[in-house]
Formats: sequence, C-alpha cells, structure tokens
Amino acid sequence: EPEVTQTPSHQVTQMGQEVILRCVPISNHLYFYWYRQILGQKVEFLVSFYNNEISEKSEIFDDQFSVERPDGSNFTLKIRSTKLEDSAMYFCASRESSGRFTGELFFGEGSRLTVL
Amino acid sequence: GESVGLHLPTLSVQEGDNSIINCAYSNSASDYFIWYKQESGKGPQFIIDIRSNMDKRQGQRVTVLLNKTVKHLSLQIAATQPGDSAVYFCADGGSYIPTFGRGTSLIVHP
Repeated sequence: EPEVTQTPSHQVTQMGQEVILRCVPISNHLYFYWYRQILGQKVEFLVSFYNNEISEKSEIFDDQFSVERPDGSNFTLKIRSTKLEDSAMYFCASRESSGRFTGELFFGEGSRLTVL
Repeated sequence: GESVGLHLPTLSVQEGDNSIINCAYSNSASDYFIWYKQESGKGPQFIIDIRSNMDKRQGQRVTVLLNKTVKHLSLQIAATQPGDSAVYFCADGGSYIPTFGRGTSLIVHP
C-alpha cells in the first residue's frame, strides 16, 4: 500500500539552528500539506502546496518557515531559526485531489522536532 | 473557531464493549466527513467517511451516523479491542484545508 514517508523520525537541535524536515508524498498525489502537533494538543494546519506553490498557510507559518518541492518526489519544510516553541511533531500529508468527496489525507508517521 | 469539534476529551471502556464517539459541526453546508484515528506516536489514519446524502455508513466493526438536522455525527466501534486505543478525530472532508478538533482519547481497559 502506498504511503507517505518522513525523515528524520526525530531531530534534536539547538535554538537558532536551521532544520529541514523531509517528506516523500504518495506518487500520484497532487496536494501536499504540513501539519504540526505540540505534545498533548491538537493537530494544527501549517501550509498546503499545489502546483509548485503555496496555496494556503496558517498564522503559524510565518517567515521562519518555508516549503519546497525540489524534485518530483520530495516535499520539504524548513525552519530557518528554530525556537523552543517549535518543538512538536510535524506531519506531512498528501491528497490525490481536492475535489469533493475525495478528502482523505494520507499522513506520514511524523518527524519529532526537539529544540533545546 | 473550529468547524468540527468533539464532545468528550476522554472515553474509557472495557474490552468487548461498544464505544460511541461524538462530533458536532457548525457549517450546515458541510457535506462530507471523515473520521481519523491517531495512535500514540503516529500520524492520523483514515477510518471511515460519510457523505451528507447518507445517514449511516458501516465498515468493519465501525459505523458512522450522521444527523444533519442537529449537525452531529458519531463513530461507533463494536466490540472494542485494546488496539482501538487511540485519539479519534472527525474532520470536514470537503474542506480544502482539513482541520481537526482536539479529539477524543479512547482508552480500552482489558
């Protein structure tokens, strides 16, 4: 069964350092998302990406965040200068289309980011 | 505010019992809903979906009921097993940006 894969599974970094989280969405999917989940809290939307550009972003997704699809398979989330409050589980998700009744998101296993 | 949300943060059941997890939504135009399950340390996984032209949909051991009059849906799990222990979320599947409520944590006691 096709799946979304994420690397690394866990990253520990010092405050102020840059971090890149990587995702390989399902190959025939067209819509890509990043969500985050702070420990014990709900899954929060960060950004959506379609046709090589950001289509929507939340208030959380400020100038410190960026996304890229550098090739035909990878989808990355970069945090330029990490803060303590960036510590969370980051989930990548993909979706075949945004048409009605095709709403299922396929999530990866997540990348746990710990900022010290 | 959230367009979908769950009623109870935690539900404890005995193994073998049936579980019912509830969810309310506010947008009367919403016409497609998805239930996700998130096990500890993992990403959310699709369980079952329902369109607004249906009141009920059954899967394997799971049933989703949709009451459009009161904008409420529920997820019923039959013969709950320890492997069902997880956080359950409902989401507006027709939304371009699926958003999740806080979820209900289902705890199954052996």
